Amino acid sequence: DIVLTQSPGTLSLSPGERATLSCRASQSVMRYLAWYQQKPGQAPRLLIHDASNRATGIPDRFSGSGSGTEFTLTISSLEPEDFAVYYCQQRRDWPPITFGQGTRLEIK
Amino acid sequence: EAQLVASGGGLVKAGGSLRLSCEGSGFTFSGSSMNWFRQAPGQGLEWVSTISTTGSNIYYSDSVKGRFTISRDNAKNSVFLQMNSLRVEDTARYFCASPSYESNGFYDYWGQGILVTVSP
Repeated sequence: DIVLTQSPGTLSLSPGERATLSCRASQSVMRYLAWYQQKPGQAPRLLIHDASNRATGIPDRFSGSGSGTEFTLTISSLEPEDFAVYYCQQRRDWPPITFGQGTRLEIK
Repeated sequence: EAQLVASGGGLVKAGGSLRLSCEGSGFTFSGSSMNWFRQAPGQGLEWVSTISTTGSNIYYSDSVKGRFTISRDNAKNSVFLQMNSLRVEDTARYFCASPSYESNGFYDYWGQGILVTVSP
């Protein structure tokens, strides 16, 4: 199974700052990686698919990069509504579909 | 607007059964693979099961294989998860999800999540 490891576990930043979240895969997933945002009590929301493609309706302050085993989600200037938990997910080699353990982005 | 609405959760004792349902609207349900995920309290996301568009291909996580059965009825735009031999560790919020044509197999349609609680 492909293991996805996200870092950091928690990121404390202020609105307006830049956020950089990382996801490392235990083996190459090429570009078959997505990022999701989840707020308490809500379903996940797809932000980025295929490593760098923004999903429909996602603001351009969200961007993704990387390939192979190293991926990054960047939020260029944090808005109050961006504070949430973020997950990466791969579908290069499945089953099983796997997720990272999540990064909690909290207000500093 | 695409929508997935799940139902059927609740409280059950260990060893019991539950059947979850998820009805889709606003997109071509019969053209979409359907998937179940779950999230235990305070934990991350876990994939549970996938069924292809016609139901000919079905996949399960090792943690539910042999106990859970996924099925679909394209005439009713619905996917189901029959959960048997439930364990305390199956306690979670269960989400149905599907990809759109734009998302290249990743999941941009999600149900609201439905809580399943398994008591000892």
